[in-house]
Amino acid sequence: GAGVSQSPRYKVAKRGQDVALRCDPISGHVSLFWYQQALGQGPEFLTYFQNEAQLDKSGLPSDRFFAERPEGSVSTLKIQRTQQEDSAVYLCASSVRGSGELFFGEGSRLTVL
Amino acid sequence: DAKTTQPNSMESNEEEPVHLPCNHSTISGTDYIHWYRQLPSQGPEYVIHGLTSNVNNRMASLAIAEDRKSSTLILHRATLRDAAVYYCILRDVGGYRDDKIIFGKGTRLHILP
Repeated sequence: GAGVSQSPRYKVAKRGQDVALRCDPISGHVSLFWYQQALGQGPEFLTYFQNEAQLDKSGLPSDRFFAERPEGSVSTLKIQRTQQEDSAVYLCASSVRGSGELFFGEGSRLTVL
Repeated sequence: DAKTTQPNSMESNEEEPVHLPCNHSTISGTDYIHWYRQLPSQGPEYVIHGLTSNVNNRMASLAIAEDRKSSTLILHRATLRDAAVYYCILRDVGGYRDDKIIFGKGTRLHILP
């Protein structure tokens, strides 16, 4: 497809489980961003990649959150030992370059029971 | 990060123009004014951006005050499909590393049929 693709669209996890969320950016896009959006709030920045380099991870809320983009294309956001407060929509966006227009996926909705 | 202030919500009638205000009194000389919107159950999408001059595209117009401390997003003829949360964002694209977009809470626009 031509847009940013995220999977799974919906994930239910039991507290303490590990989850992995995948993002397929638009082909050729150098920059990739992850955001977390709680219900009724605006998206909160988590981390940013330029190709395979993670240039900014200042928004990751704890060391349970880890993101990677090993070949500069697909990215995975991993959350270890999930907690209820991790319940949110996780949005991925890509852009041609860091300062360009961001194209967002539809998000992965995580519910932690 | 430079901050923006927007009304929490606004209402407009279908097929009428809508003016969405944004205050950004601490804007710096290298900050561009960006607008994104988020339709229900979707990721944000780019609407328009500008630096100093007013801008028009197929989706909307952006009117920027002469002192750049405020701006207005103009939807010329609102449709039900324009019901969304609209985010006004300042983005310094002069730097290399600081390319992340910081979202606020935005304005929830309701369109009345």
